[in-house]
Amino acid sequence: DAEITQSPRHKITETGRQVTLACHQTWNHNNMFWYRQDLGHGLRLIHYSYGVQDTNKGEVSDGYSVSRSNTEDLPLTLESAASSQTSVYFCASMKSSYEQYFGPGTRLTVT
Amino acid sequence: GENVEQHPSTLSVQEGDSAVIKCTYSDSASNYFPWYKQELGKRPQLIIDIRSNVGEKKDQRIAVTLNKTAKHFSLHITETQPEDSAVYFCAATLTGTASKLTFGTGTRLQVTL
Repeated sequence: DAEITQSPRHKITETGRQVTLACHQTWNHNNMFWYRQDLGHGLRLIHYSYGVQDTNKGEVSDGYSVSRSNTEDLPLTLESAASSQTSVYFCASMKSSYEQYFGPGTRLTVT
Repeated sequence: GENVEQHPSTLSVQEGDSAVIKCTYSDSASNYFPWYKQELGKRPQLIIDIRSNVGEKKDQRIAVTLNKTAKHFSLHITETQPEDSAVYFCAATLTGTASKLTFGTGTRLQVTL
């Protein structure tokens, strides 16, 4: 069955380290998104992509980057992890009917 | 950009009662309004959505209404059950190439026995 997966599911890292969170979908969707979820803020958009080699900044993109070398994957990189980036991260992909489907999430703790 | 406000932040109802969650949006051009349910420790899951060309949509015990003039939309859950307990998020977007969703801050619904 087609699906969207994220790895790792849990990550603890130290301040200043580079971290990459993986997102993989098998639906062949062009549009993919990264969100962070924090109490009191709901889901906030970090970066999004319309297709291969196309990436765009969302509302909270500072300190994050993405790359899209194929349709299936949109990895999210934290260049130099900060404690403020402790959060739950969700990847999503979008059907042509505008329905977004979310991955299971990655809980990241920056110590 | 779009701004979505959601109320209430918490809602407690007795099993069998109805629950209503309300959202307002700022961008009159927005035309797609989904609702997501997120159980504790799980991913958000789409439960119902509505487009601006209709005023109401129902799916069994859940329904969504849209008032374009007032720029607000609501989720209605009837005959609530304990498994309805979760956090519910509304969102809004203008459909197109990006269709970036702007989410409300969520409503924690607790259904008590």
